[in-house]
Amino acid sequence: AQTVTQSQPEMSVQEAETVTLSCTYDTSESDYYLFWYKQPPSRQMILVIRQEAYKQQNATENRFSVNFQKAAKSFSLKISDSQLGDAAMYFCAYRSAEEYGNKLVFGAGTILRVKS
Amino acid sequence: KAGVTQTPRYLIKTRGQQVTLSCSPISGHRSVSWYQQTPGQGLQFLFEYFSETQRNKGNFPGRFSGRQFSNSRSEMNVSTLELGDSALYLCASSRDRGFSMNTEAFFGQGTRLTVV
Repeated sequence: AQTVTQSQPEMSVQEAETVTLSCTYDTSESDYYLFWYKQPPSRQMILVIRQEAYKQQNATENRFSVNFQKAAKSFSLKISDSQLGDAAMYFCAYRSAEEYGNKLVFGAGTILRVKS
Repeated sequence: KAGVTQTPRYLIKTRGQQVTLSCSPISGHRSVSWYQQTPGQGLQFLFEYFSETQRNKGNFPGRFSGRQFSNSRSEMNVSTLELGDSALYLCASSRDRGFSMNTEAFFGQGTRLTVV
């Protein structure tokens, strides 16, 4: 079974600064997808960024980028130029590409606080 | 385009009762997955429905069940409620099942269930 670990329960960042959220995962599969979701106080999970394991290039979406290290099974999220609206709970998630279906395995989450 | 709609948003039930939660997926989406979110256990996969059939199930007791209708709307039912069932229940819809990255999951705002 796959597991996802987020070792930082809480992080703080100053507005306009950069912060990195950590995520490691364990799997015996070679093909899979990794995601970062944001859950603001409204509770709705919003997809921030996604990465396909067979792609070496790190995904980027505007101020959000990932550092994907497949051998180390590490998938960290970097948020540049942090904004107050980035404050939320962030979840790292895994989805198999070898098993048919849409099941996501989530980490415990990291609360991100943004200070003005 | 309307998002994933979950009803009700909040629910208070008494131990021993049963409850039904509803999820209307995005139009055209055929896969619906359910997750339970608690402070202690985090986000855990309950089950996935596709074409009115349960395709995958998480590690939950038989008191948790669900179904999907021909219009892809889904309901989940919890019988004989326990205090530990208090949680945020999230529903996610995807266009299809499969190996493609494009089967992105879109989440609803959840139903907050409190068992007293």
